[in-house]
Order: sequence, then C-alpha cells, then structure tokens
Amino acid sequence: DGGITQSPKYLFRKEGQNVTLSCEQNLNHDAMYWYRQDPGQGLRLIYYSQIVNDFQKGDIAEGYSVSREKKESFPLTVTSAQKNPTAFYLCASTQGGYSSNTEAFFGQGTRLTVV
Amino acid sequence: DQQVKQNSPSLSVQEGRISILNCDYTNSMFDYFLWYKKYPAEGPTFLISISSIKDKNEDGRFTVFLNKSAKHLSLHIVPSQPGDSAVYFCAAILNSGGYQKVTFGTGTKLQVIP
Repeated sequence: DGGITQSPKYLFRKEGQNVTLSCEQNLNHDAMYWYRQDPGQGLRLIYYSQIVNDFQKGDIAEGYSVSREKKESFPLTVTSAQKNPTAFYLCASTQGGYSSNTEAFFGQGTRLTVV
Repeated sequence: DQQVKQNSPSLSVQEGRISILNCDYTNSMFDYFLWYKKYPAEGPTFLISISSIKDKNEDGRFTVFLNKSAKHLSLHIVPSQPGDSAVYFCAAILNSGGYQKVTFGTGTKLQVIP
C-alpha cells in the first residue's frame, strides 16, 4: 500500500541534543513538507521540498534543518538551537507543482518531548 | 503573515443539524483549497477539495463552497454526527513555476453534541 511513514511515533530528547525525525513516502510524490503543531494551534510550516536536493524554509525554520537526498525521504533534524522543540511534528507530501492531484497525504506524526 | 485563516477556534452543533466551518484567505493566486479532519495525535485526513475555478463541490455529507470575490470558503456538514467531532483545517495550494506549496489555516475544533 502506498503511503507516508513517520518514525518514531514518540521521541524523547535531552536538552542540548540534536534529534532526527524520519519521513518516508512511496507515493512517488515530488513535494514533501514538515509541519509543527502545538496544543490548540494550527499547522505551521517548517520546511518544504519540491524536488530532490532542493528545499525551502517555511514560516518557522529556525532551529531546524532538513535534507532531500532521495525522492522518498525527507528527514527533519531538530537542533539544540530550537528554543521550544516539544511539539507534534507532521510530515506531508503532494504530487508536485504540475500535477492536478491536489491531495496532501500525511504521516501519523511524531510527538517529540524534550526532557 | 497568515495567508489562510480560520477565525473560529471552536464550534458546537447538535447532532443532525448543519455544521458550517469557515476559512478566509488573502492570496488570490491559490489554485486549490482543501479541508482536512484531524484527531489528537494523528495525522490529518483529507475530506474534500475544490478548484479555484469552481464555486461548489459536494461529496456525501460534505459540501465546500468557494467565494473568490470574498476570498472565503466554507465547509458544510449535513447532517452532523458525533463522529464528526474533530479539528478541521482548511488548506490552500499554490502552484507556481512547477513549485507547489500547501498552507494551512489554524483549525476549528468541532464538537457535535448527541
């Protein structure tokens, strides 16, 4: 079955440590996104990527980094520079800029807690 | 700069009645609009979409209306069911030069009261 997979579902990190969240899709989608959701708030865009080896900052990119070495994978690293990293992180993908298919597919999310 | 806004953070509706969720946007270049439903600690699930060249799209109990002149869209759920209780996000897609960007609203929490 095609889909988008995030791992792990729950993640704990000590202050001062970097941590990488995984996102893999087998939908052959060109575009991938990372969002952050805080309690009672909407989805805020961290980074997005339209094609391999290319990505752009979203609205709240500070303290995060990404890579897009493969079409299927878009890992997000939460660095120690991120002031409030505890949140629910969602990865999504869409087919791409010239596609008429508009649906964005989401992973099940990763709950990151800094301890 | 919030390009997609949902001004009502919450909404309560009696079972069987109509739920109307609203969304406003500022960028007239958006190509598509989508509605998602989200439960706590889960990824959003797609409900319905509408192209910017249309003004209505219907799928079962869900209907989305688009008013381009007002830069406003709404999701109607009729009849509302307790299982519809969730957070609903509207989203807008911009296709530009082969690039695609999805922008989400802040969400509206719907509670359907049995």
